[in-house]
Amino acid sequence: SQQGEEDPQALSIQEGENATMNCSYKTSINNLQWYRQNSGRGLVHLILIRSNEREKHSGRLRVTLDTSKKSSSLLITASRAADTASYFCATSNRDDKIIFGKGTRLHILP
Amino acid sequence: GAGVSQSPSNKVTEKGKDVELRCDPISGHTALYWYRQSLGQGLEFLIYFQGNSAPDKSGLPSDRFSAERTGGSVSTLTIQRTQQEDSAVYLCASSLSGGAGETQYFGPGTRLLVL
Repeated sequence: SQQGEEDPQALSIQEGENATMNCSYKTSINNLQWYRQNSGRGLVHLILIRSNEREKHSGRLRVTLDTSKKSSSLLITASRAADTASYFCATSNRDDKIIFGKGTRLHILP
Repeated sequence: GAGVSQSPSNKVTEKGKDVELRCDPISGHTALYWYRQSLGQGLEFLIYFQGNSAPDKSGLPSDRFSAERTGGSVSTLTIQRTQQEDSAVYLCASSLSGGAGETQYFGPGTRLLVL
């Protein structure tokens, strides 16, 4: 299985601080995506990074990918209360299926 | 345009009853996915439809689970003889063409509770 595994499982930080979540996977991938889920409902796509990319930015989000270590990190800078959610990494190889990890529950404290 | 919609939002049923969950994907999206998410867990892949190809049913947990996609659009996930362990949020997603790692657009999910 190439299932991504997020770390930590849960994270609480003060508003304004940076939040870092990590994802490790087992087999080679074509790309890796990060999704956010609010209140146990539908997921929202945040960012995709391809296997030949090392870093990508989108607004306050920064994603890194280290294929040698089979790991990725998601950094949210200057966190806000609205960032409270679960964050999932999802990996895919040549197959069509995306495999999701179990997620990191992020809680931003006021 | 409209996103992925699912109905019902919530479903409470008694053990042993059958349930049908509906998904309306984004218009023009040829790929459709069903996932199951138990409380506090990640997404468990159930089934994948791509155009007119035979669906990938490799994630269905038992023969009580089945899904159809009529006319390449709306999909129905049916759970027969429901069990308490079927209680979960059932999420549907669609993507434009189902390419490897293509962004999936999720519906709000159906929260199923089996008493």
